[in-house]
Amino acid sequence: GESVGLHLPTLSVQEGDNSIINCAYSNSASDYFIWYKQESGKGPQFIIDIRSNMDKRQGQRVTVLLNKTVKHLSLQIAATQPGDSAVYFCAEKKSGGNKLVFGAGTILRVKS
Amino acid sequence: GAVVSQHPSWVICKSGTSVKIECRSLDFQATTMFWYRQFPKQSLMLMATSNEGSKATYEQGVEKDKFLINHASLTLSTLTVTSAHPEDSSFYICSASRQGRNYGYTFGSGTRLTVV
Repeated sequence: GESVGLHLPTLSVQEGDNSIINCAYSNSASDYFIWYKQESGKGPQFIIDIRSNMDKRQGQRVTVLLNKTVKHLSLQIAATQPGDSAVYFCAEKKSGGNKLVFGAGTILRVKS
Repeated sequence: GAVVSQHPSWVICKSGTSVKIECRSLDFQATTMFWYRQFPKQSLMLMATSNEGSKATYEQGVEKDKFLINHASLTLSTLTVTSAHPEDSSFYICSASRQGRNYGYTFGSGTRLTVV
């Protein structure tokens, strides 16, 4: 199946600091991107999305940046809290299709 | 908001037996459902896409005879792991796409399958 079966890298941040999680997506034809948060033993939880005609979108404490030139997506979390500790995945949807393909993921650990 | 219910949340079965996992959209009609599997410390890997009333489309490398997918109604899709083996032990997650809504994906809570 599609996706990247790599072991997940870890980002450790201090509580209160900002976190930046990066994702390199694979398909230049992708037109929609989503960031998900996954806690242990649970399904992915929607955080924020962005369409390819935008390069930045902000939510509550989160910002997604899209750089189509280098096929790079990032998630910025402001004032990171212990409850933000989880695995974060980016996902992409190819234009004209409906399949959502997940990137490799990053473990975020927040130190108190 | 949209809710997808997935059952069971965990199951242990013996090698050679079959296990069925259900995915229900509770408050919306899901024209398309997706099935993923996830190994520990890895990403979600798309297994198949199922549209209501038609055969599922499997991703390359996924055995359709082993992972039977049924999407008989707009609110229910099932994944049956047939003749399960220990290597099928994994976390299986469904996702439903809402009818009439572009780009809407709602995930179930996942099923932990352990084959002994």
